[in-house]
Amino acid sequence: SQQGEEDPQALSIQEGENATMNCSYKTSINNLQWYRQNSGRGLVHLILIRSNEREKHSGRLRVTLDTSKKSSSLLITASRAADTASYFCATDGAAGNKLTFGGGTRVLVKP
Amino acid sequence: DTGVSQNPRHKITKRGQNVTFRCDPISEHNRLYWYRQTLGQGPEFLTYFQNEAQLEKSRLLSDRFSAERPKGSFSTLEIQRTEQGDSAMYLCASSLEHKARDTQYFGPGTRLTVL
Repeated sequence: SQQGEEDPQALSIQEGENATMNCSYKTSINNLQWYRQNSGRGLVHLILIRSNEREKHSGRLRVTLDTSKKSSSLLITASRAADTASYFCATDGAAGNKLTFGGGTRVLVKP
Repeated sequence: DTGVSQNPRHKITKRGQNVTFRCDPISEHNRLYWYRQTLGQGPEFLTYFQNEAQLEKSRLLSDRFSAERPKGSFSTLEIQRTEQGDSAMYLCASSLEHKARDTQYFGPGTRLTVL
């Protein structure tokens, strides 16, 4: 079963705009990770945030985590056409164990 | 390329046939995971290994599915008597056990189509 839900399910923006997507989950976590998937391909790891962290940055990516609300957000700044992909959040509830994914947000960046 | 590799990338089979997929993890990684992803959905966990030991199996893994990691390196996932509902992308991931974090790195996947 899917642990989390991403919101929105789909997002269409112009190149240069920012894209924000949210993820909610149900149970306690150790880490929350964000992945990108281009159509029909494997998942690319973007960023991991630990349960005791509130915000992390990596290049044009900014991730926040609010454990009291059981939610996370991913912000992509100054989007590019190459950012067009599906973005998934995934949580793990025990060290080294399985990831539980949400349904993903499909992002389309129009040139 | 030192990433996770999977073979074959695509497999088309007829219902009732057996299929086997292979995953080669990142060489120093001791954990290996299998996931299944259907169209428009996020991946779902199937099973994972720590070294050669299979430590957890999802209830999604029916008795037609079997996974092995005989020497703690590569892994195989076999599906017997395939059904059309088995059509999906099968993803493999590996990670290195660490106290603080356990980033899983994914392979390109094997897309299975059962006719």
